[in-house]
Amino acid sequence: AQSVTQPDIHITVSEGASLELRCNYSYGATPYLFWYVQSPGQGLQLLLKYFSGDTLVQGIKGFEAEFKRSQSSFNLRKPSVHWSDAAEYFCAVGAGGSYIPTFGRGTSLIVHP
Amino acid sequence: DAGVIQSPRHEVTEMGQEVTLRCKPISGHNSLFWYRQTMMRGLELLIYFNNNVPIDDSGMPEDRFSAKMPNASFSTLKIQPSEPRDSAVYFCASSTPEGQGPDTQYFGPGTRLTVL
Repeated sequence: AQSVTQPDIHITVSEGASLELRCNYSYGATPYLFWYVQSPGQGLQLLLKYFSGDTLVQGIKGFEAEFKRSQSSFNLRKPSVHWSDAAEYFCAVGAGGSYIPTFGRGTSLIVHP
Repeated sequence: DAGVIQSPRHEVTEMGQEVTLRCKPISGHNSLFWYRQTMMRGLELLIYFNNNVPIDDSGMPEDRFSAKMPNASFSTLKIQPSEPRDSAVYFCASSTPEGQGPDTQYFGPGTRLTVL
């Protein structure tokens, strides 16, 4: 079965600084990979997803993620963080014929002014 | 589009009472998912439906939980009897085939359930 690990429970950055959120997955073949964001009191919203092709994926709100098979990683990046990016971020992996993602525990992003 | 609609947004009940959570998926979506989110266990898939048929309910914690989808525009998740450990945020999500790659799940705002 597939699994996903988000090593950082909390990340604190200053507004305007760059951001990288880590995600590692476990699966024997090429997985489907997702990043979701959850703002306080809201449901999850898809930022981006990878399933084939170019390993650098562009998403909404200026986010991107890079699939690195050799490292089993799918880290999320943003060059300049805005205060409105403060939220919970979830990495997820889907595998094989199932497109249903298994979610990581999430990383809480705190943005300092 | 109104998105996925869930009701109620908040529910406070006493142990032993029946609780019914409701979900209206996005029109035209043919898959519906119920998730539970807690601090201890994170986000867990409870059950999902495809074309109104339950496909996988292996995540349903026990017989006290049941879910139905009588038509394409409505689903319920029922807990009877409720227990304090059922306190969580319950999310409904829906999706439809996008032709290439995995489907995008669209989540509702969730129902925060507190069982006293």
